[in-house]
Amino acid sequence: AQSVTQLDSQVPVFEEAPVELRCNYSSSVSVYLFWYVQYPNQGLQLLLKYLSGSTLVKGINGFEAEFNKSQTSFHLRKPSVHISDTAEYFCAVNLQAGTALIFGKGTTLSVSS
Amino acid sequence: GAVVSQHPSRVICKSGTSVKIECRSLDFQATTMFWYRQFPKQSLMLMATSNEGSKATYEQGVEKDKFLINHASLTLSTLTVTSAHPEDSSFYICSARLGQGLNYGYTFGSGTRLTVV
Repeated sequence: AQSVTQLDSQVPVFEEAPVELRCNYSSSVSVYLFWYVQYPNQGLQLLLKYLSGSTLVKGINGFEAEFNKSQTSFHLRKPSVHISDTAEYFCAVNLQAGTALIFGKGTTLSVSS
Repeated sequence: GAVVSQHPSRVICKSGTSVKIECRSLDFQATTMFWYRQFPKQSLMLMATSNEGSKATYEQGVEKDKFLINHASLTLSTLTVTSAHPEDSSFYICSARLGQGLNYGYTFGSGTRLTVV
């Protein structure tokens, strides 16, 4: 069965520091990968997605992620975080285009000054 | 961009009553809608997939008679929690698929916080 693993449940960082949120997926076929951000009591906002093409994907708010098929990873990075980046981040995948997303358990990013 | 409007954002109901949650696509036609449930500090769990004009497909373990999903039009999908109990208290989120082929994505409603007392 396909699954998504977010290795860190919580990531505390200081403002302006770099951050990496890790995501690994288990699948033997091509996958389509997404990163979403969720602020308290709100829905999800797309940060970026990988469907095909370049393995380095740039998203909104300065985030980027790299699809690594050999390591089955899709880690999210930002070179310098802000207080406003404090939120819950979800990695998601689906096997077939357009089918329901399967979400990881989420990573809480806490940015402090 | 494509927006899904979800209402209500919060609802408190008594045990045994039913609650209806609506998701409307404001500027596009949502042929497929997904309904998720999220417990505090946890991930989103898929409850069901609904396609306009057909019966919803429920995930294993989700009671279809308890969580009634209607997708009668291309702009409206509803989730009705029937005979609600405190264990149904949760955050419910709808999502619509956008685009076709390999140029696709998803948009999410803002969620409904259901509290059953």
